[in-house]
Amino acid sequence: DQQVKQNSPSLSVQEGRISILNCDYTNSMFDYFLWYKKYPAEGPTFLISISSIKDKNEDGRFTVFLNKSAKHLSLHIVPSQPGDSAVYFCAATSDSGGGADGLTFGKGTHLIIQP
Amino acid sequence: DTAVSQTPKYLVTQMGNDKSIKCEQNLGHDTMYWYKQDSKKFLKIMFSYNNKELIINETVPNRFSPKSPDKAHLNLHINSLELGDSAVYFCASRHRAEAFFGQGTRLTVV
Repeated sequence: DQQVKQNSPSLSVQEGRISILNCDYTNSMFDYFLWYKKYPAEGPTFLISISSIKDKNEDGRFTVFLNKSAKHLSLHIVPSQPGDSAVYFCAATSDSGGGADGLTFGKGTHLIIQP
Repeated sequence: DTAVSQTPKYLVTQMGNDKSIKCEQNLGHDTMYWYKQDSKKFLKIMFSYNNKELIINETVPNRFSPKSPDKAHLNLHINSLELGDSAVYFCASRHRAEAFFGQGTRLTVV
């Protein structure tokens, strides 16, 4: 029972263009959402997050959009750079206070930036 | 200066053996986790440990046990290893909503 779904296993984007990674969730209790980036043989690293009280959060080239009614969020990267090639994980939690409940992850999307 | 560190990075062992993976965080966080990334690349939580409270994912076999000697450490012990235990195991610590991950331990059971 996947509560967080990333339906695109991979995505190829040309350098300089916009990359859009999508994520859907089913658990209405989730109130905080995060994106992680992972390179091979390394652990996931935090990228950007958004609270359910917002619909957009921006940090440099990265913007996360949240549509609560559709239970959908997306990560926009613009412009895309070669170093952005990695696996991107969407994660969600109903416990943004850092308690014992962990993060629930999607399966990841492998983003490939083409030169 | 690594925030969350795990050792070893690679572990190859035979079926039936008992092994441990160590995890240390120097962030002062109260909550630590173990996650397993299986062959299908899902990152699934195995355990969370917060202020001496241990929460176990009910799907985790009891051959797996976390041990926390102090707030900065959460080690993972695995008894009677099976082929299906082969995976990448990640330790993480958490402050508020963000979790910080170690580099992972690739466990291969032969």
